[in-house]
Amino acid sequence: DAKTTQPNSMESNEEEPVHLPCNHSTISGTDYIHWYRQLPSQGPEYVIHGLTSNVNNRMASLAIAEDRKSSTLILHRATLRDAAVYYCTPTPSGTYKYIFGTGTRLKVLA
Amino acid sequence: EAQVTQNPRYLITVTGKKLTVTCSQNMNHEYMSWYRQDPGLGLRQIYYSMNVEVTDKGDVPEGYKVSRKEKRNFPLILESPSPNQTSLYFCASSPSPLTGFYGYTFGSGTRLTVV
Repeated sequence: DAKTTQPNSMESNEEEPVHLPCNHSTISGTDYIHWYRQLPSQGPEYVIHGLTSNVNNRMASLAIAEDRKSSTLILHRATLRDAAVYYCTPTPSGTYKYIFGTGTRLKVLA
Repeated sequence: EAQVTQNPRYLITVTGKKLTVTCSQNMNHEYMSWYRQDPGLGLRQIYYSMNVEVTDKGDVPEGYKVSRKEKRNFPLILESPSPNQTSLYFCASSPSPLTGFYGYTFGSGTRLTVV
């Protein structure tokens, strides 16, 4: 199973972009990279996923390094509602064999 | 509204007293799973089910049982709870990962305390 490393915490000002990094240097060639977030007192929520190419959706963008050993979740304009713990987890295709670490706690300052 | 519903939200029980945490989803999802969340350890998978009558162990199955008799329900059973099972539990569901990736929908969680 691929291991991940994420900063314990990050801060951002409201309305500014946020780049949340994840290192997954032991990822295998067929693992997808998934991101979830967990708002206070709630269950985790799917954010985005990708394999090799950068991906965009209504919530965020995912930038994947060319060697796939790291990825960055980009929130284009942070809001107070984006304050959460963000998890990245490589996962083999066709499975939900997630490994949720302790994630990055994002604090958004008004 | 599409959702995963867990009950109860909070439960305090005594060691050895059998309990069941229910999980129900209204999205016709094939895949369902249980996780526990502990400080410093993140979320760890207990059991999962690919479809009705198909269940398998996750990473931390000891002390738990599950059943999947109907597609919508996936109860978590603790036959003889112990204090080390005090945790925050989450149920999740999704369409089958074999048909593509859609992301989990998680329930709101059940906070269990075993004294």
